[in-house]
Amino acid sequence: GAGVSQTPSNKVTEKGKYVELRCDPISGHTALYWYRQSLGQGPEFLIYFQGTGAADDSGLPNDRFFAVRPEGSVSTLKIQRTERGDSAVYLCASSLLGGNTGELFFGEGSRLTVL
Amino acid sequence: AQKVTQAQTEISVVEKEDVTLDCVYETRDTTYYLFWYKQPPSGELVFLIRRNSFDEQNEISGRYSWNFQKSTSSFNFTITASQVVDSAVYFCALSEAREGAQKLVFGQGTRLTINP
Repeated sequence: GAGVSQTPSNKVTEKGKYVELRCDPISGHTALYWYRQSLGQGPEFLIYFQGTGAADDSGLPNDRFFAVRPEGSVSTLKIQRTERGDSAVYLCASSLLGGNTGELFFGEGSRLTVL
Repeated sequence: AQKVTQAQTEISVVEKEDVTLDCVYETRDTTYYLFWYKQPPSGELVFLIRRNSFDEQNEISGRYSWNFQKSTSSFNFTITASQVVDSAVYFCALSEAREGAQKLVFGQGTRLTINP
């Protein structure tokens, strides 16, 4: 597709389980971002990739959260030992250029519910 | 620290009315960027505008206009002659240039409902 694609759109899991959320950015976009949006709140920055490397992971809440982008395209956000507080919509965005330039294009998000 | 405040949680107006969404921000940086995004029910954030801190000129795009006032740290968004399709949650956001990336700090959003 032409836009940012995120899968799954919905994920329900039990506390303590491992979860992977996938983001397929717009083809050719070098910058990729993950944000998390809790109910009734604005999105919060998690991590930023420029190419294959995580240029800034300062928003990851703790070491249960990890993200990769091995080939500089698709990215996977991994959450270990999920907790109820991890329930949120996880948004991915991509941009043609890195840094502060360029428009961010967001996906529709992956809604994670931890029971 | 950066902060964006959207004091209006929900606004409801009748179609064709004008409506202004307020945004107040805090930052210690002199170079920063301000944004407005629209989030329809489908969930994706749609970019509306980006403004850098050195450009205080107001902008108009069709029925949308933005008023940036550095003196009051505000970046308000006005929709003229609102339409039902404008119904969505609108977010104001801030990004500091020194971060070297679009680490957006979002406000809590304003849910706008346009009634026919």
